[in-house]
Amino acid sequence: QKEVEQDPGPLSVPEGAIVSLNCTYSNSAFQYFMWYRQYSRKGPELLMYTYSSGNKEDGRFTAQVDKSSKYISLFIRDSQPSDSATYLCAMRRTGGFKTIFGAGTRLFVKA
Amino acid sequence: DAGVTQSPTHLIKTRGQQVTLRCSPKSGHDTVSWYQQALGQGPQFIFQYYEEEERQRGNFPDRFSGHQFPNYSSELNVNALLLGDSALYLCASSSGQGATEAFFGQGTRLTVV
Repeated sequence: QKEVEQDPGPLSVPEGAIVSLNCTYSNSAFQYFMWYRQYSRKGPELLMYTYSSGNKEDGRFTAQVDKSSKYISLFIRDSQPSDSATYLCAMRRTGGFKTIFGAGTRLFVKA
Repeated sequence: DAGVTQSPTHLIKTRGQQVTLRCSPKSGHDTVSWYQQALGQGPQFIFQYYEEEERQRGNFPDRFSGHQFPNYSSELNVNALLLGDSALYLCASSSGQGATEAFFGQGTRLTVV
């Protein structure tokens, strides 16, 4: 079993839709939770960063962490064609130097 | 600020050869982490360098080695290349060991034939 599970998709939605992306994990020691966006032929860019449980909002993006269920989510409101990319969840334990990534979900937003 | 820069962008090598990839961290960052990203997969942690020392290593064989220079730039070396080493190699920089990697380079696409 992988430490971090993420549905690879692809996920196709119409412009303006609310997108929900999710990951599950098995290591209860993870305390730092991140979402990265990766465009084709580019390196990942950090979108959201959350410590422990709770919600965090930044513009059209909301990250949720439910440590009791070992489940994290990223919501994108009013999705745009420019949001079409691969979204990677990632996590790290306190004091750890290694970031564990999910496989990534490919998102397509149709105009 | 140029951000994290990696060179070369693309590379084709023959099985059994050796390769060196280079990374310059974002200005002000002193920690460099290397990741391997196979097609359709998420990045896999190779190792992290801080203060010119390897601080932590992922599940990669000794064929993978690295170095960090006094100016914080870093190299990733892979010996005895295998076909399975074909991947996108990413460098990330951060300030202080254990910090979240907010900045990645564009990667080096290595193809082993």
